[in-house]
Amino acid sequence: DTGVSQNPRHKITKRGQNVTFRCDPISEHNRLYWYRQTLGQGPEFLTYFQNEAQLEKSRLLSDRFSAERPKGSFSTLEIQRTEQGDSAMYLCASAANTGELFFGEGSRLTVL
Amino acid sequence: DQQVKQNSPSLSVQEGRISILNCDYTNSMFDYFLWYKKYPAEGPTFLISISSIKDKNEDGRFTVFLNKSAKHLSLHIVPSQPGDSAVYFCAAEGTSYDKVIFGPGTSLSVIP
Repeated sequence: DTGVSQNPRHKITKRGQNVTFRCDPISEHNRLYWYRQTLGQGPEFLTYFQNEAQLEKSRLLSDRFSAERPKGSFSTLEIQRTEQGDSAMYLCASAANTGELFFGEGSRLTVL
Repeated sequence: DQQVKQNSPSLSVQEGRISILNCDYTNSMFDYFLWYKKYPAEGPTFLISISSIKDKNEDGRFTVFLNKSAKHLSLHIVPSQPGDSAVYFCAAEGTSYDKVIFGPGTSLSVIP
């Protein structure tokens, strides 16, 4: 098991473009989380899945953000019409039935 | 509203001495608490956790103390080593399969 994998690791895009990030969790982990982190801040909760069901989505997430987890395996996070304020590190984590989250190395987004 | 607080943005400790990192929470529904460690350009890694039914959990050089009445927990590292220099995040979780909320982090520097 290679841990949580995130792609791409870095993404530079122009304002207004759409971007998609992918997360491959640890196999057999039924919980999957997306967080966003900016400099000097802790990971900020975005959304999480129990298997393929999206159980909660942060109020901070605008309609431009959408996440999916088809078949309860990998997940994608899409940001439409990116804005400069979307520039951040997007972290994915997975967990089994304990509270311990295992994080990937993150996908850094820069919106020009 | 910040449900998990780490009021010390940074801490410097001499090698071999004790490091004490503090965390306060506001939501009395939290019943599971975790500490994560983060190096630059990496995702957070799990360090130690504690359930609300306990007041102490120890793992090698790391001990976490929980004071439920004060809604306060602390992480003790003894003896501190230069390799412990990192950002430490306190995190809290409610009932099982709930979202995990992170604090803003404390940057620890262990001076040789």
